[in-house]
Amino acid sequence: EVRLVESGGTLVQPGGSLRLSCTASGFIFSSYSMYWVRQAPGKGLEWVSFVSRISDTIYYADSVKGRFTISRDNAKKSLYLQMDSLRAEDTAVYYCARGEGSYWSKYWGQGTLVTVSS
Amino acid sequence: DIVMIQSPDSLAVSLGERATIDCKSSQSVFYSSNNKTYLAWYQQKPGQPPKLLIYWASTRDSGVPDRFSGSGSGTAFTLTISSLQAEDVAVYYCQQYYSTLWTFGQGTKVEIK
Repeated sequence: EVRLVESGGTLVQPGGSLRLSCTASGFIFSSYSMYWVRQAPGKGLEWVSFVSRISDTIYYADSVKGRFTISRDNAKKSLYLQMDSLRAEDTAVYYCARGEGSYWSKYWGQGTLVTVSS
Repeated sequence: DIVMIQSPDSLAVSLGERATIDCKSSQSVFYSSNNKTYLAWYQQKPGQPPKLLIYWASTRDSGVPDRFSGSGSGTAFTLTISSLQAEDVAVYYCQQYYSTLWTFGQGTKVEIK
């Protein structure tokens, strides 16, 4: 069974940093590209970042570029999102998702809530 | 970035009736080199992650009831629920993957009338 479990979400002050993790199981992690997608409270889905299978290709949404860093450790079957200079508008549930190629995603984690507030 | 616009933002449909959601992209998401349309549809219920319904604009994911269908080409797409069931109450999103920088529609909330 494919499982993606996010962790690391919490309350953080504006300007602070946070590192999210996503632990994968039930599939060959190194064979898939991975995504972070977020959803602000009561709002729609927003793609945040993409990392290819061997991390040779990485993309970010303009809204997080220069502040967030995606990475992965294939040996640990884990995906990460380092979030710096956090703003109130970064408040959201953050989902990790397995890419089918760089196309759609069938498998999503349950999400982890990041709240940026003083 | 490719902008995805859904309509309507919400709709209420009687049980057993048809629900139709439209999605328009700001540019074509059709690749002529492989004759494929790079569009997916998701269903999201409260407190849950999105669930994949449709990919390649019209291919149902495994286990998705056949009352869900996708159609369209180029820049205009439709998700149809042929006979709305109580468990279909959810928000539905279209997503383009023509660009690796995914973009989603704003969502359409489907309720029971």
